[in-house]
Amino acid sequence: DADVTQTPRNRITKTGKRIMLECSQTKGHDRMYWYRQDPGLGLQLIYYSFDVKDINKGEISDGYSVSRQAQAKFSLSLESAIPNQTALYFCATSDLGNNQPQHFGDGTRLSIL
Amino acid sequence: KQEVTQIPAALSVPEGENLVLNCSFTDSAIYNLQWFRQDPGKGLTSLLLIQSSQREQTSGRLNASLDKSSGRSTLYIAASQPGDSATYLCAPWGGGSNYKLTFGKGTLLTVNP
Repeated sequence: DADVTQTPRNRITKTGKRIMLECSQTKGHDRMYWYRQDPGLGLQLIYYSFDVKDINKGEISDGYSVSRQAQAKFSLSLESAIPNQTALYFCATSDLGNNQPQHFGDGTRLSIL
Repeated sequence: KQEVTQIPAALSVPEGENLVLNCSFTDSAIYNLQWFRQDPGKGLTSLLLIQSSQREQTSGRLNASLDKSSGRSTLYIAASQPGDSATYLCAPWGGGSNYKLTFGKGTLLTVNP
C-alpha cells in the first residue's frame, strides 16, 4: 500500500459543485500539504498543516478550504468549483524539522466543466 | 519571492550517457534543496535532499551538488538508462518563505535505447 494515498484519482464535475479531495498517510508524519500542478506553471502550495491544530494558507488558497481531521488525514475542498481549478492536485507529507524530505501521493486529476 | 529556473527544459540523450541537469534559485537563504522525479500520471518521487550546510549528496547513479551562495544546484546522472526518462524537478525549501518548497518547472528527460 502507498504511504500517501489520495482519493479519488480522477474526478470530472460541473461548475458550481462542491468537491472534496482526500489524503491519508501511514508515514506518521505531522506535516501535510496540498499542491496543485498546472502545465507550464510548476507546483503551487494551496494549504499546509504542521499538526492537527495548525492550518495555514499557501500561495493560492482562494477558492479552497481544508480540514485536518487527524494526524493521518488532510482533506481539500473546493466550495464552488470553477473551470480554472482544473488541475492535478497533490498531497504531501513530511516529518518535523526543516531538513526532512516531502513525500507525495500519486495525485488527483480534477476536471471542472 | 523565491524563483526557481531549470535548464534545459527538455533533454534527449542516448542510453549510457552521463548528463547534468541545472537548477538556479534567486534567494540563497534556504534550509535545503530537494530533487524529485515525476513520471507521467504519477506523483513526485523524492530523489535527494541536500541540506544548506552540505555541498553534495549521492544516491546510486545520482549525484546532486549545491552552491548555496551562487544559488545553483546540479543533478548529475551517470550512465543513463531508458528507465531514467521522466521529468526532474528541483525545489529549495526556504528563501524568504520558510514554510514551503518552491518548485521549478522541471526538465523533461528522455533516454533513448
